[in-house]
Amino acid sequence: NAGVMQNPRHLVRRRGQEARLRCSPMKGHSHVYWYRQLPEEGLKFMVYLQKENIIDESGMPKERFSAEFPKEGPSILRIQQVVRGDSAAYFCASSGLAGITDTQYFGPGTRLTVL
Amino acid sequence: DAKTTQPTSMDCAEGRAANLPCNHSTISGNEYVYWYRQIHSQGPQYIIHGLKNNETNEMASLIITEDRKSSTLILPHATLRDTAVYYCIVRVASGGSNYKLTFGKGTLLTVNP
Repeated sequence: NAGVMQNPRHLVRRRGQEARLRCSPMKGHSHVYWYRQLPEEGLKFMVYLQKENIIDESGMPKERFSAEFPKEGPSILRIQQVVRGDSAAYFCASSGLAGITDTQYFGPGTRLTVL
Repeated sequence: DAKTTQPTSMDCAEGRAANLPCNHSTISGNEYVYWYRQIHSQGPQYIIHGLKNNETNEMASLIITEDRKSSTLILPHATLRDTAVYYCIVRVASGGSNYKLTFGKGTLLTVNP
């Protein structure tokens, strides 16, 4: 059973470009969560999605960031017009259920570097 | 969610048991204790969780005190690959935004040869 998959593992962008990060949840999981880890800091919740629905995006910056989890295909975290402060590791997690103590399993992350 | 307190760092000799403490004195009756670890540059790895009974799986054991105000994660035979930051997280069982895992600074466990 494959785990959570994320790609690319490393992404380099210049200021002003767009970054697209992909996350494929574990087989059978329909809940996806994105977290960001800035250098030397802990992981911070960004957004929680179910298929075709954004449940909670309270941790997302108000501008330039968006997320989706379409009916088919991976979840996408999109960052428009990247700035140097967006450089971080972005982790996706998935679970089979939510609202009860269902465990979140994390992917290997995408390390975004903004030049 | 209840706040947790963990030592900043710990050392352990290879092959010995590693005992990682966590204080969660404000934990509520419906809050679980979860443990994750993050090996350098990798995604967090789920280890174990429990409510009030001690738990054991293939990776570790979790001992929760009777008053639930603290817990200990035990790696019975630590190896060099267990060197990582270990996070103790308290999470409400259901309702609200219990899906938001709150990662503190954790404990850096260094296993020495």
